[in-house]
Amino acid sequence: AQSVTQLDSHVSVSEGTPVLLRCNYSSSYSPSLFWYVQHPNKGLQLLLKYTSAATLVKGINGFEAEFKKSETSFHLTKPSAHMSDAAEYFCVVSERNSGGSNYKLTFGKGTLLTVNP
Amino acid sequence: GAVVSQHPSRVICKSGTSVKIECRSLDFQATTMFWYRQFPKQSLMLMATSNEGSKATYEQGVEKDKFLINHASLTLSTLTVTSAHPEDSSFYICSAREKGWRGNQPQHFGDGTRLSIL
Repeated sequence: AQSVTQLDSHVSVSEGTPVLLRCNYSSSYSPSLFWYVQHPNKGLQLLLKYTSAATLVKGINGFEAEFKKSETSFHLTKPSAHMSDAAEYFCVVSERNSGGSNYKLTFGKGTLLTVNP
Repeated sequence: GAVVSQHPSRVICKSGTSVKIECRSLDFQATTMFWYRQFPKQSLMLMATSNEGSKATYEQGVEKDKFLINHASLTLSTLTVTSAHPEDSSFYICSAREKGWRGNQPQHFGDGTRLSIL
């Protein structure tokens, strides 16, 4: 069974400072991992994805994430926060089910990022 | 890129009304669509999975007679909340997988519908 843990429900940073949003996962098979961003009253927008190629993944808007199998982590980072980055962020795991017939998405509980001027 | 259009974005109606939400894939064929419910400050909860031309599969605890799902074409799925009550008020989000989707590809999400039942 797969699970996703976002270690912080809320992260607050100052504009221009680095962002770190933490995500740990558990998976029985080789998972695909995604980070999505959700702005208020909006759907989810894909930031980046890991699919067993390069472990350091670059996404949109300057975000990147590193897949560390030994630590079962997929933390999201950005060198310098912008006011427009304030939103909810979800770490998501996609894994084939035990029967091998379908894939299931598991969502983390989300991390609210606030950016202070 | 793949766009999922969800309509309406917001609806306010009286208790007992039935409400239909549409989810359209604008530039791709969606063989599978998903409906999620999101409570304030919480993650997405999968309600049901619909495959084009077949009956939807509902998650445990979701009333299929309450939340009617139709996926009649490769570009349209609808969710009808029948006889809605205040406890059905929530944010509903649809998502779609493209034809030929593989597990290492992302799903595409609509912008959601804010449903408020008075």
